[in-house]
Amino acid sequence: QKEVEQDPGPLSVPEGAIVSLNCTYSNSAFQYFMWYRQYSRKGPELLMYTYSSGNKEDGRFTAQVDKSSKYISLFIRDSQPSDSATYLCAMMEYGNKLVFGAGTILRVKS
Amino acid sequence: NAGVMQNPRHLVRRRGQEARLRCSPMKGHSHVYWYRQLPEEGLKFMVYLQKENIIDESGMPKERFSAEFPKEGPSILRIQQVVRGDSAAYFCASSSDRLSYNEQFFGPGTRLTVL
Repeated sequence: QKEVEQDPGPLSVPEGAIVSLNCTYSNSAFQYFMWYRQYSRKGPELLMYTYSSGNKEDGRFTAQVDKSSKYISLFIRDSQPSDSATYLCAMMEYGNKLVFGAGTILRVKS
Repeated sequence: NAGVMQNPRHLVRRRGQEARLRCSPMKGHSHVYWYRQLPEEGLKFMVYLQKENIIDESGMPKERFSAEFPKEGPSILRIQQVVRGDSAAYFCASSSDRLSYNEQFFGPGTRLTVL
């Protein structure tokens, strides 16, 4: 069993839709939870990070962490074609290596 | 402030040759991480270094792979006697402090192709 599971998609939605991306994990020692966006042939860029359980909102993006269920989500409101990318969830125990999910390919159609 | 720099961006090697990948962290960052991304897979941690020290190499293959981050100059990931299975994108990230969460900033990656 992988430490972090993420549905690879692809996920195709019309412009303006609400997108829900999810990851599950098995390591209860994870403390920090991140979402990265990666455009084709580029390096990942951090979208949001959350420490422990709860919600965090930044513009059109909302990250949720449920440590009791070992489940994290990223919601994108009013999705735009420019949001088309691969979204990677990542987790960290403490100040060290990131453990990534496989990434979900998102396509927003105009 | 320049971001994380990696070179070369693309590297082609024949089986049995050596590959050297370079990473210059962001200014002021003293922590460097190397990750490998195989086709259709997420990034996998390889090694974490500070200046002149390897902190965690739990993700490094036991043979042919080595990494260093000297006092002066970039971090180097070295792959000896490359095989086709080494073809992947190799990403370097840097951060400023590991005492608490600090964002890891990623470079654009080096795409290694082994013929």
